[in-house]
Amino acid sequence: EPEVTQTPSHQVTQMGQEVILRCVPISNHLYFYWYRQILGQKVEFLVSFYNNEISEKSEIFDDQFSVERPDGSNFTLKIRSTKLEDSAMYFCASSGQTGRDTEAFFGQGTRLTVV
Amino acid sequence: GENVGLHLPTLSVQEGDNSIINCAYSNSASDYFIWYKQESGKGPQFIIDIRSNMDKRQGQRVTVLLNKTVKHLSLQIAATQPGDSAVYFCAEPSHPGGYNKLIFGAGTRLAVHP
Repeated sequence: EPEVTQTPSHQVTQMGQEVILRCVPISNHLYFYWYRQILGQKVEFLVSFYNNEISEKSEIFDDQFSVERPDGSNFTLKIRSTKLEDSAMYFCASSGQTGRDTEAFFGQGTRLTVV
Repeated sequence: GENVGLHLPTLSVQEGDNSIINCAYSNSASDYFIWYKQESGKGPQFIIDIRSNMDKRQGQRVTVLLNKTVKHLSLQIAATQPGDSAVYFCAEPSHPGGYNKLIFGAGTRLAVHP
């Protein structure tokens, strides 16, 4: 069964450092997403990406965040200068079709710990 | 998107019993809802969805009910098993015209006891 894969599973970084979280979406999908989940809280939307550009982003997704699809298979989330409050689970998701009512498949997540 | 939230943060049931997890929404224009299951250490997993032109939809051991009058939906799990232990989220897309953004509710933890 196709799945979204994320690496690494756990990333520990010092405050102020840059991190790149990596995702390989399902191969024939067209829409890509990043979500985050602070421990014990609900899943929050960060950004959606379609046709090689951001289609929507939340207020969380400030100038410290960026996304890229560098090679047609990977989808990355970069945080330029991490803050303690960036510690969370980050989930990548992808969906295949245009329009609504399309199931989004989530990866297993990357746990980011900023110390 | 508007607020999508849950009534109960934790639900404990005996193995074999039926479970009902509830969700309220506030946007009367919402027309599509999804239930996700999140097991410990994993990402959300799609369970079942429902469109607003339906009141009920059934899957394998799961049923989603939608009451548009009171803006409430529920997930019913029949014969709950230990493997059903997880956090369950209701969610909806934020825009009627596209699927760019899911708004998740707060989640309900389901604990199944033998």
